[in-house]
Amino acid sequence: NAGVTQTPKFQVLKTGQSMTLQCAQDMNHNSMYWYRQDPGMGLRLIYYSASEGTTDKGEVPNGYNVSRLNKREFSLRLESAAPSQTSVYFCASSEAARGRIEGYTFGSGTRLTVV
Amino acid sequence: GDSVTQMEGPVTLSEEAFLTINCTYTATGYPSLFWYVQYPGEGLQLLLKATKADDKGSNKGFEATYRKETTSFHLEKGSVQVSDSAVYFCALLNFNKFYFGSGTKLNVKP
Repeated sequence: NAGVTQTPKFQVLKTGQSMTLQCAQDMNHNSMYWYRQDPGMGLRLIYYSASEGTTDKGEVPNGYNVSRLNKREFSLRLESAAPSQTSVYFCASSEAARGRIEGYTFGSGTRLTVV
Repeated sequence: GDSVTQMEGPVTLSEEAFLTINCTYTATGYPSLFWYVQYPGEGLQLLLKATKADDKGSNKGFEATYRKETTSFHLEKGSVQVSDSAVYFCALLNFNKFYFGSGTKLNVKP
């Protein structure tokens, strides 16, 4: 009953450091997504992967890279962290049903602080 | 482009009060509409959804009706509980892309 698992849950980075946020889902979903959540701004899409082997930019991709390692895993990398990337990051996955996505399953989030 | 607008919070209510959180949307075509709930320290969970006009989504005493004529999907509950305290997000899905509102924090006092 794991659903979407994100690691780590919390992280503090210094400006310029790099790190990778990990995400894995066990529901055999085709599509996976990375969002960031900032106060008063809702969720904004960073990158998504519609299927294994494909990735596309979302609304706010600058400063991030992603890898769809296999069907289960979708990682988000910050090459050179900046204070503006302080946020809560959510991974999500979804599956189309009858040609329409039924909704996302979200992970519990990674709270990242860049100092 | 497509977008979702929901009422700003926080909304503070006493237990057993009636809840309405307004949500309106702008979209081309025929989007699906969703309400997600986020409890403190957790990710978003699907609360309810509606896929076509006049559909009513319902779950855990919450309801929302897809009103195409007013482009709205307001969330209602007849009697809130302290355990309903959370952040509520309205969202639309159109052409395989999700658009989220900014969230409305609900505080329910005993």
